[in-house]
Parts: sequence; C-alpha cells; structure tokens
Amino acid sequence: KNQVEQSPQSLIILEGKNCTLQCNYTVSPFSNLRWYKQDTGRGPVSLTIMTFSENTKSNGRYTATLDADTKQSSLHITASQLSDSASYICVVSAIVTGTASKLTFGTGTRLQVTL
Amino acid sequence: NAGVTQTPKFRILKIGQSMTLQCTQDMNHNYMYWYRQDPGMGLKLIYYSVGAGITDKGEVPNGYNVSRSTTEDFPLRLELAAPSQTSVYFCASSHLGGQISYNEQFFGPGTRLTVL
Repeated sequence: KNQVEQSPQSLIILEGKNCTLQCNYTVSPFSNLRWYKQDTGRGPVSLTIMTFSENTKSNGRYTATLDADTKQSSLHITASQLSDSASYICVVSAIVTGTASKLTFGTGTRLQVTL
Repeated sequence: NAGVTQTPKFRILKIGQSMTLQCTQDMNHNYMYWYRQDPGMGLKLIYYSVGAGITDKGEVPNGYNVSRSTTEDFPLRLELAAPSQTSVYFCASSHLGGQISYNEQFFGPGTRLTVL
C-alpha cells in the first residue's frame, strides 16, 4: 500500500531559526515528490517538485532534498519568518499506467513560528 | 487571473439534504480534481476529470457525483448528505496530468462542509 509519513506532526520554533521537516514514503513506482505549503483556511500551494534524478531543489528559503534509494525527503526552512507558520505537506506521485499517475498525500507537519 | 475559485466557503447541511459545490478555473487547464481533507488525514481524491465531458472516480467517490460540461467548471454534487461527509473540500486543476513530471496542481481555497 502506498504511504507517505511525515515527522514531526507539529513543531514550534523561534523566528529566525532554521528547521527541517521529514518525509518517508513507500510509493512505487515513483514518479515525483512535491512539497506543499498550506496556510490555515487556504488551499495547498506548491513549493517544490522533484523527480527521481533530482536530489535537491530550492525555492527561496525553502530547500527540499530527495534520496530515492532510501525513499526519504526533507524540507529545510532557513531563517524562519512568522509567515512560514503553516502546514507543510509531502506528496508523492506514483505511476499507475503509461499516462496516469496517483498522488499520495502525507498528513502534514504543522509549523508555528513565534517571536 | 483568479486561478481556482470555489463557492461556498462554508456550508452547514442537515442529514439527507443535497447540495452542489462549485469550482471554476480560468487557467484553461484540462485536468481538474476534487479532494476532501479530514482532520489529521492526508487529502483523498474523490473524482477527477481529464477534459470536458470526461470524468472518473478517485479513491473515495461514494456519495458524490460530478460533471464537466465546460473546461472551466467542475461542480461536485452531494445527493444525500451524511455526517461522514463533514470535511473540507478542495478543487484543483493542472495543465497536464498523468506522469508528466511537472504537472503542478493549483488548489482552490476550499469549502468547509458540516453535516448535522
């Protein structure tokens, strides 16, 4: 069964500090892995998308890494800001047929950045 | 360019009532999706569409129906609301689907539905 597990479930950090969120998956055959940011009461917004051949991708202060061998990904947030307070969702795409894929969503890590 | 819009934002239904959740996108995307998000759970795909006139079931389609008469609109219908359908519903769209690597999905703001 395809699964995506994220840790920690929640995290509180001080503004300006760095943090790393983890994602482990058992999805196959693997197509790509995405990280989304979801603000409270809003829809998810894409941060990064990585295929199996990419092991790191950055989007501003967000850097995602992917180890396709161990089926692990991380999202590192540098110099956190209050606006980073949100849920971060790891999503893995599996190839279903030649032209179709299926997304499996993690339950998210809820990050709170405080003063 | 509004992206993906959903109406209503909130709704309370009584058991057995019906309603339609509206979704519209202005990005000329062929692919559209409906998800539900339950507390502490990942998003689950309800239905999806690969173009006008074509729809297919996702992971949790029971109790829902969809139609896709135009590229822009993808309404989700609940015929006999049940408490198990209490959830937040998200509509999304993408330019490409399938295994195309960068088929980024754009999400609407969601509809919070409570069935009492």
